[in-house]
Amino acid sequence: EAQVTQNPRYLITVTGKKLTVTCSQNMNHEYMSWYRQDPGLGLRQIYYSMNVEVTDKGDVPEGYKVSRKEKRNFPLILESPSPNQTSLYFCASSWGTSGNEQFFGPGTRLTVL
Amino acid sequence: EDQVTQSPEALRLQEGESSSLNCSYTVSGLRGLFWYRQDPGKGPEFLFTLYSAGEEKEKERLKATLTKKESFLHITAPKPEDSATYLCAGSSASKIIFGSGTRLSIRP
Repeated sequence: EAQVTQNPRYLITVTGKKLTVTCSQNMNHEYMSWYRQDPGLGLRQIYYSMNVEVTDKGDVPEGYKVSRKEKRNFPLILESPSPNQTSLYFCASSWGTSGNEQFFGPGTRLTVL
Repeated sequence: EDQVTQSPEALRLQEGESSSLNCSYTVSGLRGLFWYRQDPGKGPEFLFTLYSAGEEKEKERLKATLTKKESFLHITAPKPEDSATYLCAGSSASKIIFGSGTRLSIRP
């Protein structure tokens, strides 16, 4: 089954404790992206990747890091989480570039205390 | 600055009452205009992509249209199962910009 998986689905952590949210897709997609979704603000793009070893900042990259060492995986790293990073996070992937439909993961709800 | 704005924020309709959702956009070098449906607690699900002004696409009770500045999602004779948040997004050469969504509620 074609899908995007994220882990963990739920996470409660404390300020400053490094964490990684994993994202994996099995569709051989080139384009992958991370979003955060906050009430009233919609989905905002954090980082995106056009292909292996090619990543770039979206609209809200501060406090986040990503890597793309393999085509299928695109982890999101929070080196020192803060309470303002409490949010619902989605990973997505698509064929080719940003001009194609995206397939979204189920989401990761992160709470930083 | 690239921007996507959706209106209204929320819309409550009676079953069978047709209406339209609006998406205004300013995206440099627009590659595609997307509509997604999002149910509570789930990831967005793709509905349509529109690539050029004048283009229209349909799926069941939904029809999406595109002009040079706006896109509309028309919903005809909606049913309660059409209740969801509908998201509009524009893509440039590399980035994707989402609107904040329209929360649609259909009463039986």
